[in-house]
Amino acid sequence: GAGVSQSPRYKVAKRGQDVALRCDPISGHVSLFWYQQALGQGPEFLTYFQNEAQLDKSGLPSDRFFAERPEGSVSTLKIQRTQQEDSAVYLCASSSYGAGTGGNTIYFGEGSWLTVV
Amino acid sequence: GNSVTQMEGPVTLSEEAFLTINCTYTATGYPSLFWYVQYPGEGLQLLLKATKADDKGSNKGFEATYRKETTSFHLEKGSVQVSDSAVYFCALRGTGSASKIIFGSGTRLSIRP
Repeated sequence: GAGVSQSPRYKVAKRGQDVALRCDPISGHVSLFWYQQALGQGPEFLTYFQNEAQLDKSGLPSDRFFAERPEGSVSTLKIQRTQQEDSAVYLCASSSYGAGTGGNTIYFGEGSWLTVV
Repeated sequence: GNSVTQMEGPVTLSEEAFLTINCTYTATGYPSLFWYVQYPGEGLQLLLKATKADDKGSNKGFEATYRKETTSFHLEKGSVQVSDSAVYFCALRGTGSASKIIFGSGTRLSIRP
């Protein structure tokens, strides 16, 4: 597609429920990132994929968070047993080059707004 | 580790005023620097970028110069418009394996007609 597409745009989950957030990156983009943005804060890095390989998952806040990109294109961020502190916007981003090319542009999707009640 | 510190908001200006939003960074090596903008209800958009020292990024009347000696990347615009009201994020991206973008906390800008 023309841009990074995320779904669902809005999700309300009951505490303890599992959720799955989907990201369709720009076609052909090698790198894919997930970020978490709490209300009034800047985006915080969660994890990074280069093709299907998850090269950095240092930002995942707990083992309840899991991300995959099995075929190197679409990615899913899964949150198990959601807690109220998981309420945030989850941003997906992609770029056309791999690690080591810091100047290339990273394109963001509009985000998935998760509210845990 | 790498980090970004930007001017806290909110910032409120009158239309046609001069804008400066300060941003400083800490990083090893030679990161690339970015300003992203988030309009109400929309996703993050790249506003401008600079990839090496003394580069000037510019777009939509906004400018920022990569100053390695002061580790700064301040955002400026000579005459703001109501449509510039948004949240602005300064960010950096390292080289090598450190390819993630690190964001500042954001500065909310409101322009009065």
